[in-house]
Amino acid sequence: EAGVAQSPRYKIIEKRQSVAFWCNPISGHATLYWYQQILGQGPKLLIQFQNNGVVDDSQLPKDRFSAERLKGVDSTLKIQPAKLEDSAVYLCASSLDWTDYGYTFGSGTRLTVV
Amino acid sequence: GQQLNQSPQSMFIQEGEDVSMNCTSSSIFNTWLWYKQEPGEGPVLLIALYKAGELTSNGRLTAQFGITRKDSFLNISASIPSDVGIYFCAGQLGNTPLVFGKGTRLSVIA
Repeated sequence: EAGVAQSPRYKIIEKRQSVAFWCNPISGHATLYWYQQILGQGPKLLIQFQNNGVVDDSQLPKDRFSAERLKGVDSTLKIQPAKLEDSAVYLCASSLDWTDYGYTFGSGTRLTVV
Repeated sequence: GQQLNQSPQSMFIQEGEDVSMNCTSSSIFNTWLWYKQEPGEGPVLLIALYKAGELTSNGRLTAQFGITRKDSFLNISASIPSDVGIYFCAGQLGNTPLVFGKGTRLSVIA
C-alpha cells in the first residue's frame, strides 16, 4: 500500500513569512496527526484529526498555526507568521482509527526559518 | 504533561554486539511502542506492547512492557550496520495520542 505522502520535502522561509505543508494519509485511515520534531528531540504532537474533526489541538500554537482536514482525507498545516523557533521537521502520521497506535509516518517536511 | 526519559542518549557499538536501551516515565501507560528513525525519514514502527509484563520479539529485536507500566526496554542482538538510527520509545494512555521520548542514537562500527 502507498505510504503517507508529504510535500514539500524542504522549505526555507524568512521569519514573519507564511508557509503551508500538505499531507495525504494512507487510504482508509480515519485518524491523522501532525507532529513537530525539533532537531535532537522526539516528535511532539501538534494536532489530531478523526475524519474531518479535530480531536486534540491542545499543543497547537493557535496564534500562528492552523490545520484543516476538510474532506476527511488530506490535510494542510499552516504557519503564519513563522518564527525562528519554528524551524523543525513537520511529520504527518495516520492510523486506521484513534485506537490504532501503530502510526505510519510520512518522511516529513524540513522547515528552516531564517 | 507526560514525559518519557530514554537512556542512553547515544551509543557506539561494534558490529555483532548486543544493544540495550530503555525508557522510563513518571506516569503509567497502557501501550508502549518502539520506533526507529533514519536520516531524512519519518519514524517506523518496530514493536508494539499492549500488556504489562509482555515480552515481544521481532527478528533480532526484543522489547518488554514493564510490570509497573512505567518503563520499557528494547534489546537488539548481534547488531549490524543497518541498525544505525535513532530509536524512540512512545507511550499511550487512555484515548490520548502517542507521547515520544527524545530518542537513543545508535552508531554501529563495522
